[in-house]
Amino acid sequence: RKEVEQDPGPFNVPEGATVAFNCTYSNSASQSFFWYRQDCRKEPKLLMSVYSSGNEDGRFTAQLNRASQYISLLIRDSKLSDSATYLCVVNPYNNNDMRFGAGTRLTVKP
Amino acid sequence: NAGVMQNPRHLVRRRGQEARLRCSPMKGHSHVYWYRQLPEEGLKFMVYLQKENIIDESGMPKERFSAEFPKEGPSILRIQQVVRGDSAAYFCASSPMFQSSYNEQFFGPGTRLTVL
Repeated sequence: RKEVEQDPGPFNVPEGATVAFNCTYSNSASQSFFWYRQDCRKEPKLLMSVYSSGNEDGRFTAQLNRASQYISLLIRDSKLSDSATYLCVVNPYNNNDMRFGAGTRLTVKP
Repeated sequence: NAGVMQNPRHLVRRRGQEARLRCSPMKGHSHVYWYRQLPEEGLKFMVYLQKENIIDESGMPKERFSAEFPKEGPSILRIQQVVRGDSAAYFCASSPMFQSSYNEQFFGPGTRLTVL
């Protein structure tokens, strides 16, 4: 089983739609979780950290479910500029190591 | 405050040659990570280094690949006797020195290696 698994998509949604991505991880001892965003042929950039209590940043909401070992990202009121690949990232060893999912591709259409 | 710097941005090598990829972390960062991204695939962890130490190299191929982060100068990812399958984007990331499981990793722009 992969350390971090994501649905590769693609997700094609109209502007204004709400879209959600899930990501599962295999190591139950994982301590920290993140969503990164990667634009085509660019480097990944941190979108948001995911805390146990869940957190929200504008149109973006991240949730963690430790019992089922998954994290989610919800994007409300999608914008064209949200089109990108969203990478689920897990720190499985409580150090600085990170493990990346393969990414979920989102395309927001007018 | 310069971000993570990688050079070259593009590198072309013929089969059998050596490739050297350089990464200068952000100022004040002492942890460096190397990742490989094949076309249309996700980031694969390769190696995690601190100054003069390899912390985790579990993602490094056993042969032809090596990495270092000397006391002075950039981190180097070295690929000997390159093959076509080595063609990929190689990203370097860095994070601060203090221990926290929520340290953000900051990525460089990547080096795109093409093996002819």
